[in-house]
Amino acid sequence: DIQMTQSPSTLSASVGDRITITCRASQSVNNWLAWYQQKPGKAPNLLIYKASTLESGVPSRFSGSGSGTEFTLTINSLQADDFATYYCQHYSGYYRTFGQGTRVEVK
Amino acid sequence: EVQVVESGGGLVQPGGSLRLSCAASGFTFGGSQMSWVRQAPGKGLEWVALILKDGSGDYYVDSVKGRFTVSRDNAKNSLYLQMNNLRAEDTAVYYCMRDWISGGSGKGFDYWGQGALVTVSS
Repeated sequence: DIQMTQSPSTLSASVGDRITITCRASQSVNNWLAWYQQKPGKAPNLLIYKASTLESGVPSRFSGSGSGTEFTLTINSLQADDFATYYCQHYSGYYRTFGQGTRVEVK
Repeated sequence: EVQVVESGGGLVQPGGSLRLSCAASGFTFGGSQMSWVRQAPGKGLEWVALILKDGSGDYYVDSVKGRFTVSRDNAKNSLYLQMNNLRAEDTAVYYCMRDWISGGSGKGFDYWGQGALVTVSS
């Protein structure tokens, strides 16, 4: 099974900051990597797919990069609405795995 | 408008069974792989099961293999998760979603339901 490891687990930031979250896969997932945002009590929301493609309707301050086993999610100019938990997930083959999540909190 | 709505959650005793349903509309259900994902209270997301668009194959996380079965009825635009021999550690919100793969492209989970709470407790 492919394991996904996110870092950091918690990130403290302020409005206007640029933040980066890293996701590492235990083996190559090519570009089959998605990022989700989840707010308390809500279902997750797809932000980025195929490692770097922005989902329709998602603000352009979100961006994704990487391939193979190393991926990053970057949020430029963090907004108040962006304080949430973020998950990476691979969808290579017929099995899926999520990272453990990164909580972005107010500094 | 896309709608994904789970139902059938509730309280069940350890060793019991429960069947979740998911009603989908607003997209071509019969042309879509579907998955179930769960989230235990205060924990992260865990993928549970996937079923191919025609129901010809199904795949599970190791912790539910042999106990859970995913199925679908494309005529009714519906997805199901039969959960048997439930354990306390199966307590979670269960989400149904489209698992979008098309040819050489794919998005992952683009349409999610609001979730159904399953509580396993005596």
